Amino acid sequence: SQTIHQWPATLVQPVGSPLSLECTVEGTSNPNLYWYRQAAGRGLQLLFYSVGIGQISSEVPQNLSASRPQDRQFILSSKKLLLSDSGFYLCAWSAGARDSQETQYFGPGTRLLVL
Amino acid sequence: GDSVTQMEGPVTLSEEAFLTINCTYTATGYPSLFWYVQYPGEGLQLLLKATKADDKGSNKGFEATYRKETTSFHLEKGSVQVSDSAVYFCALVPLVGSARQLTFGSGTQLTVLP
Repeated sequence: SQTIHQWPATLVQPVGSPLSLECTVEGTSNPNLYWYRQAAGRGLQLLFYSVGIGQISSEVPQNLSASRPQDRQFILSSKKLLLSDSGFYLCAWSAGARDSQETQYFGPGTRLLVL
Repeated sequence: GDSVTQMEGPVTLSEEAFLTINCTYTATGYPSLFWYVQYPGEGLQLLLKATKADDKGSNKGFEATYRKETTSFHLEKGSVQVSDSAVYFCALVPLVGSARQLTFGSGTQLTVLP
């Protein structure tokens, strides 16, 4: 069966510090991968998605970036965090073209607090 | 573009009450429709889904029917439990496109009191 991992689970960082959040998927190959952000009390915002290694699409302009160095690894980064980057970051995967319904499955999330 | 409109929350019910959370959508053609649930401090879990008109998705006592004529996918449960307290998200994926993306509703907070 497929599983998705995210770490760290919780992170407290000062403004201006760098960020690296990691997401890995097990039990499948060539998944589509997604990064979402959920601000407190609000819905989900798609930040990035990837259909393959090195292929990243950005949905919103921001000081965050994403990379996919391996087939089942997706990394969210920032060089300098802003207060507004605080939130709950969720990674998700889907089977892409192998699933006509494009069902997405979510990881446990990383809670980021920027002070 | 595609959009999902959910019933405004929060919703507070007593245990064993009937639950309805309304969801309507705007999309081209026949999108796939989903309900996700988010328990406190956790990620989203897929609750149920439907892929074509008149399909009924069901799981853990929850049901939702894909209604093309009313562009709706309302979530129902006949008897809620305290453990159902969570945020519920309605979402759609369009029929075509590369890396077809989920469009979420704003979420509905449900609290069930004993």
